[in-house]
Amino acid sequence: GAVVSQHPSWVICKSGTSVKIECRSLDFQATTMFWYRQFPKQSLMLMATSNEGSKATYEQGVEKDKFLINHASLTLSTLTVTSAHPEDSSFYICSATKPNYGYTFGSGTRLTVV
Amino acid sequence: QKEVEQDPGPLSVPEGAIVSLNCTYSNSAFQYFMWYRQYSRKGPELLMYTYSSGNKEDGRFTAQVDKSSKYISLFIRDSQPSDSATYLCAMSGGAGNQFYFGTGTSLTVIP
Repeated sequence: GAVVSQHPSWVICKSGTSVKIECRSLDFQATTMFWYRQFPKQSLMLMATSNEGSKATYEQGVEKDKFLINHASLTLSTLTVTSAHPEDSSFYICSATKPNYGYTFGSGTRLTVV
Repeated sequence: QKEVEQDPGPLSVPEGAIVSLNCTYSNSAFQYFMWYRQYSRKGPELLMYTYSSGNKEDGRFTAQVDKSSKYISLFIRDSQPSDSATYLCAMSGGAGNQFYFGTGTSLTVIP
């Protein structure tokens, strides 16, 4: 079955530093990857959609210069939180899909900025 | 074996039908069970949130958890065309723990 590996599963960083989160589809080629953010007890909020080889499409209100998304290959997308601040502390999760395929989610990354 | 199994469908029903969506899981440590609805090009929207076993009802939606069988269900009564979406189950072992999602079931309600 389809597997998406998300790494790291948790990270603590200092305010002002950058953090990179990786999302890999291990056994299928993901033409589209999604990045979500979730605050406690709330729904996942779609941050951006990325298609392999093209620029990510960001949802309204998401700062593209702060949340850098790269989808350089059909199996890897990365989310970099630049100049992280405590308010960026959240749960970030990716999902991957391809045409006529279900969504496969990573297990999420808990980011804590101190 | 995957942590969570969900039939991707697609599922097509006439308006007014009762819809049953299901997921099975393998990890007996899961305590929190959620159902999300996702419309095309949108993020998943939390529909139901259940802790441990039992039933929970919210309007036309009922969530059931059977921990002994490791089986959860979402029932939609009097289905409407606006219910057409992808439904994802998700579960975790506790607050702050990692989530495990099903692949989603695509539902179409035909007027």
